[in-house]
Amino acid sequence: KNEVEQSPQNLTAQEGEFITINCSYSVGISALHWLQQHPGGGIVSLFMLSSGKKKHGRLIATINIQEKHSSLHITASHPRDSAVYICAVNRTNKLIFGTGTLLAVQP
Amino acid sequence: DAGVIQSPRHEVTEMGQEVTLRCKPISGHNSLFWYRQTMMRGLELLIYFNNNVPIDDSGMPEDRFSAKMPNASFSTLKIQPSEPRDSAVYFCASSKDRNYGYTFGSGTRLTVV
Repeated sequence: KNEVEQSPQNLTAQEGEFITINCSYSVGISALHWLQQHPGGGIVSLFMLSSGKKKHGRLIATINIQEKHSSLHITASHPRDSAVYICAVNRTNKLIFGTGTLLAVQP
Repeated sequence: DAGVIQSPRHEVTEMGQEVTLRCKPISGHNSLFWYRQTMMRGLELLIYFNNNVPIDDSGMPEDRFSAKMPNASFSTLKIQPSEPRDSAVYFCASSKDRNYGYTFGSGTRLTVV
């Protein structure tokens, strides 16, 4: 079993829909990261969380340390949000990655 | 700030050749990480440095891989000899410390034929 599990693996949405991607982890962590990778592109760090909730534009990330669970929400989704979203946990200064969620937002 | 700079962006080489990937971290960041991304295994940590010192190289696949960080502004990842299974995208990332986020470079897409 992977230490970091993401769901769903693939997600197709219509433009404007509210999107949720989930991440569960099984190890003790100091922080959790949400990353975005466009096809053939580099990796961009969206959020780093150790507790509570963070918001940046249309993106919201939450974490529940007790339940070892985090969610990434996208409000009013847009085709340019189409990308792979990767959850990663920071454990002893190393990142352990989930397998990613491939999001396609259709116009 | 130019971000984390990796070179080359693309590398195609023949099996058996030596390959050197380069990374310039963000000035002031004291941790540097090399990651490999493949379709089969996703993102994997190869090695990371703190204050130019290798801290954890447990992810380095085998002796054909080596990494150095001679100073705070430069690191190399070398594969010698390269094999087709080394084909992947190699990312370098840097971080100020564990309480800060990571900044990734654009990656080097390596193809070994």
